[in-house]
Amino acid sequence: NAGVTQTPKFQVLKTGQSMTLQCAQDMNHEYMSWYRQDPGMGLRLIHYSVGAGITDQGEVPNGYNVSRSTTEDFPLRLLSAAPSQTSVYFCASCPGTGYEQYFGPGTRLTVT
Amino acid sequence: AQKVTQAQTEISVVEKEDVTLDCVYETRDTTYYLFWYKQPPSGELVFLIRRNSFDEQNEISGRYSWNFQKSTSSFNFTITASQVVDSAVYFCAFPNYGGSQGNLIFGKGTKLSVKP
Repeated sequence: NAGVTQTPKFQVLKTGQSMTLQCAQDMNHEYMSWYRQDPGMGLRLIHYSVGAGITDQGEVPNGYNVSRSTTEDFPLRLLSAAPSQTSVYFCASCPGTGYEQYFGPGTRLTVT
Repeated sequence: AQKVTQAQTEISVVEKEDVTLDCVYETRDTTYYLFWYKQPPSGELVFLIRRNSFDEQNEISGRYSWNFQKSTSSFNFTITASQVVDSAVYFCAFPNYGGSQGNLIFGKGTKLSVKP
């Protein structure tokens, strides 16, 4: 099992550009989430999904879009990148209520 | 609303010292789980432990131990005889909305530096 994979590992964008961060898991987990990590802020939830076709907003959703067409994939789209979106992004999956999150390796995004 | 507080932002110890990382949470749930994660300098998030609110027994795993006290809403983490490899950021976490969303609320983390 590859677990949770994320691509790319690093990305530099100019303000206003759009891009998609890819996330995939091969553990057949229903729950998937996107977090961003900023210095001193811990991890904050951007969007989450409780199953294919179902997504919802987390704590900091503005400027991001998600979709979940399959159980395996949960891409995160930046619609028009802003310097405030410079962060490390983690995708996670979870097999069910009360279980731990399985994290991907993260994507370090810089917006100039 | 659920909340997780890690009041210690940074801790610095010398190797072989014992160190305790504090975690206090707020919830109206009567049953819940609590988690600790480790983030070493390489950046990945490593799961350490999950505890059920029904079980208040201390958990020990090698040099790591966890003290869960429901009465004080605390879930503290102790490293005994710390080593340089323990240097990392440690996060305490709590399920969002009782776990129904499959994600967690994280504390802001405690950065532990263990010096030789």
